[in-house]
Amino acid sequence: QPVLTQSSSASASLGSSVKLTCTLSSGHSSYIIAWHQQQPGKAPRYLMKLEGSGSYNKGSGVPDRFSGSSSGADRYLTISNLQSEDEADYYCQTWGSDTWVFGGGTKLTVL
Amino acid sequence: EVQLVESGGGLVQPGGSLRLSCTASGFTVSSNYMSWVRQAPGKGLEWVSVIYSGGTTYYADSVKGRFTISRDNSKNTLYLQVNSLRAEDTAVYYCARSTDFDYWGQGTLVTVSS
Repeated sequence: QPVLTQSSSASASLGSSVKLTCTLSSGHSSYIIAWHQQQPGKAPRYLMKLEGSGSYNKGSGVPDRFSGSSSGADRYLTISNLQSEDEADYYCQTWGSDTWVFGGGTKLTVL
Repeated sequence: EVQLVESGGGLVQPGGSLRLSCTASGFTVSSNYMSWVRQAPGKGLEWVSVIYSGGTTYYADSVKGRFTISRDNSKNTLYLQVNSLRAEDTAVYYCARSTDFDYWGQGTLVTVSS
């Protein structure tokens, strides 16, 4: 089954952009992933589904500031014009062979 | 509007049992893959179990043989029967829809402690 690797933390300034990375394990570089946001004390929220081609489909109500892209085994989540409410944990997730996996999550701090 | 509402959590002693419920509105549970995902305090997300639209079920190794996922189509509700609970099962349990978890519930807290 695939393994997803994320940096544990990231930080960026208010109004700037940040690019978070999720890396698929060897042999799984074609997998579709999803990105989820979890604000402090809240349930996760679906952001988007992201294919290896870089094509993505966002969830209902997800701001245009959120976008996705891909390169090889890497899946990216870019957040532009960072807002204070973007400070959250971000998880990537994938599925295959009747099992689902999450990355360890990236804690994003907005400075 | 799609909504998922979990219930049934609580404080239970080690070895005890609970039945968690996830009531859905705005879509049909039986037409979708439905999963349970949990989050231990201060930790990341962990997939627990899935039920396919055809009724096939799968479990994470950590809960296999102790947890059972099911659904009641007449009530449009998903369940998770959790037995032989251990301290390490303490977590918020979420239900989520589809392969990419495009909708989540608000979660229900299960605390296993004597």
